[in-house]
Amino acid sequence: SQELEQSPQSLIVQEGKNLTINCTSSKTLYGLYWYKQKYGEGLIFLMMLQKGGEEKSHEKITAKLDEKKQQSSLHITASQPSHAGIYLCGADINGNNRLAFGKGNQVVVIP
Amino acid sequence: SQTIHQWPATLVQPVGSPLSLECTVEGTSNPNLYWYRQAAGRGLQLLFYSVGIGQISSEVPQNLSASRPQDRQFILSSKKLLLSDSGFYLCAWGAAARGEQFFGPGTRLTVL
Repeated sequence: SQELEQSPQSLIVQEGKNLTINCTSSKTLYGLYWYKQKYGEGLIFLMMLQKGGEEKSHEKITAKLDEKKQQSSLHITASQPSHAGIYLCGADINGNNRLAFGKGNQVVVIP
Repeated sequence: SQTIHQWPATLVQPVGSPLSLECTVEGTSNPNLYWYRQAAGRGLQLLFYSVGIGQISSEVPQNLSASRPQDRQFILSSKKLLLSDSGFYLCAWGAAARGEQFFGPGTRLTVL
């Protein structure tokens, strides 16, 4: 069974619009990590969340972890073509620095 | 700053041939090292991880093996490749005291 569920699986937005993607676990997470991947390339680390209710922002991307540490959202404000790609969430589920990953959210930004 | 290298970038191999993929990390000491495989529709799967030289843990039974002959070198191997070994292989490193991992550029392996 998939330990991390990401939704929606794919998303098409007009440039300039906001978007939100989600990552959900049935277990309490020790840490939640967001990555971005362009097809055929490695994963780029975006943000790490560890505390319930934590929120972090970098440029136009904001990530939040809920109080129960089971759900995270990634919000992009005024999306640009450079935001297109696959967003993967990874989580430390057992507290051993081994990450489980979701299948990803594919984001397409139309100019 | 830390960097992570993987080679080759792409590889096409016949079924039954051996495999050796290499990963090296620069700019850090005693990292945790990880091998992942990314297959279409199946997400990212952890294959092996290592917390030190010669220390390898396998997450799933498979046709592959890993070795860590030096502190910052991690090798993924197979004696005989199967069709099902095709995929995108990613190496990652992480500091022992922190959870985030940093990924290499990956190797695309096609077994024919």
